[in-house]
Amino acid sequence: QKEVEQNSGPLSVPEGAIASLNCTYSDRVSQSFFWYRQYSGKSPELIMSIYSNGDKEDGRFTAQLNKASQYVSLLIRDSQPSDSATYLCAVNRRDTGNQFYFGTGTSLTVIP
Amino acid sequence: ETGVTQTPRHLVMGMTNKKSLKCEQHLGHNAMYWYKQSAKKPLELMFVYNFKEQTENNSVPSRFSPECPNSSHLFLHLHTLQPEDSALYLCASSQDMGGSGYEQYFGPGTRLTVT
Repeated sequence: QKEVEQNSGPLSVPEGAIASLNCTYSDRVSQSFFWYRQYSGKSPELIMSIYSNGDKEDGRFTAQLNKASQYVSLLIRDSQPSDSATYLCAVNRRDTGNQFYFGTGTSLTVIP
Repeated sequence: ETGVTQTPRHLVMGMTNKKSLKCEQHLGHNAMYWYKQSAKKPLELMFVYNFKEQTENNSVPSRFSPECPNSSHLFLHLHTLQPEDSALYLCASSQDMGGSGYEQYFGPGTRLTVT
């Protein structure tokens, strides 16, 4: 079983819509959760981190964490063509040392 | 610009060559990481250094040899690589607070091609 699973997509949404990206993780001891955006040919860029259950909002981005369901999501409101990228979900587990586990990413296309 | 730099940005090397990748972070962090990113695969953590000490080595072949002379610099020495080692090699850094939260910041990466 993969540590972190994401729907690879591609996910297409029209400009101005809400894009919803989902991620599940396998281990309940995971403590820290991150969303990265990666444009083609570029390195991952941190856009959100979340550590406790509930929602965390930052501008047009909202991260949602549900530890009981082992589920973390990212909502992008008012999607823009510049949001078109691959979004990587990452989790950090302290019990295995300073280990980060990444999903394979979800490709998002925002259609003008 | 994340405060993490990597050189070179592109590297083509033969299987018998020896080369080194360099990473430098200007964020005052105390942990540094090497990742490998291949097409269609998740990011693979290769090595972790906390306070210059290697704390993780995820079964990486010995043809990859890391070096961390101080908390700001990290090297990856390469020798006798295989074509399947062609990938994007990413360096990252974070502040290890010993509790929760390790926000990692990535450098731009080195695109490595082994011929």
